[in-house]
Amino acid sequence: GQNIDQPTEMTATEGAIVQINCTYQTSGFNGLFWYQQHAGEAPTFLSYNVLDGLEEKGRFSSFLSRSKGYSYLLLKELQMKDSASYLCAVREKGYSTLTFGKGTMLLVSP
Amino acid sequence: EAQVTQNPRYLITVTGKKLTVTCSQNMNHEYMSWYRQDPGLGLRQIYYSMNVEVTDKGDVPEGYKVSRKEKRNFPLILESPSPNQTSLYFCASSFLPGARRDEKLFFGSGTQLSVL
Repeated sequence: GQNIDQPTEMTATEGAIVQINCTYQTSGFNGLFWYQQHAGEAPTFLSYNVLDGLEEKGRFSSFLSRSKGYSYLLLKELQMKDSASYLCAVREKGYSTLTFGKGTMLLVSP
Repeated sequence: EAQVTQNPRYLITVTGKKLTVTCSQNMNHEYMSWYRQDPGLGLRQIYYSMNVEVTDKGDVPEGYKVSRKEKRNFPLILESPSPNQTSLYFCASSFLPGARRDEKLFFGSGTQLSVL
């Protein structure tokens, strides 16, 4: 089984940088995903980490430390449209299923 | 266009009346899954399938059935719906991990189900 923790809510200002943390406990790690979900819509893929380090994709970056069971999603130059829920999901070794955290609701204010 | 198609988008029904939510993908994905999403609980997996005729229970399978007779389709069946199954449901698909780099889950647009 897995236990995935992320903050429930965060607030930030337009133009700023925000870091959303995710910690996990798993018996065997096989990849970590970040998804963005706007209210009432389907989750959409943001990033995937399977090795330690930073993956950068435009304004979004994701970091993974497997030894610490820790990841973060970094959002730069925040825009109002970034107000959404951000979901951390972990794949356990030997399984195809993804287990999701409860999500972090990010509110970006002007 | 690569997509996961779920129908219906909204459904209101009464307790005990059997219903089916359809899911179809056009990306030749082996893996398909159903999730339900409830406030404060996040996305929880109901059932998943790793290929045709191969299905398995997720974390919350009680009250649900699935079938995978064809690779592209993975319907969710509620034989006797109850009010505690009122939720937002998502179907998702992906390639199996290990074979390809692109292993991300693609989600359908969701089905908001209300059981009265």
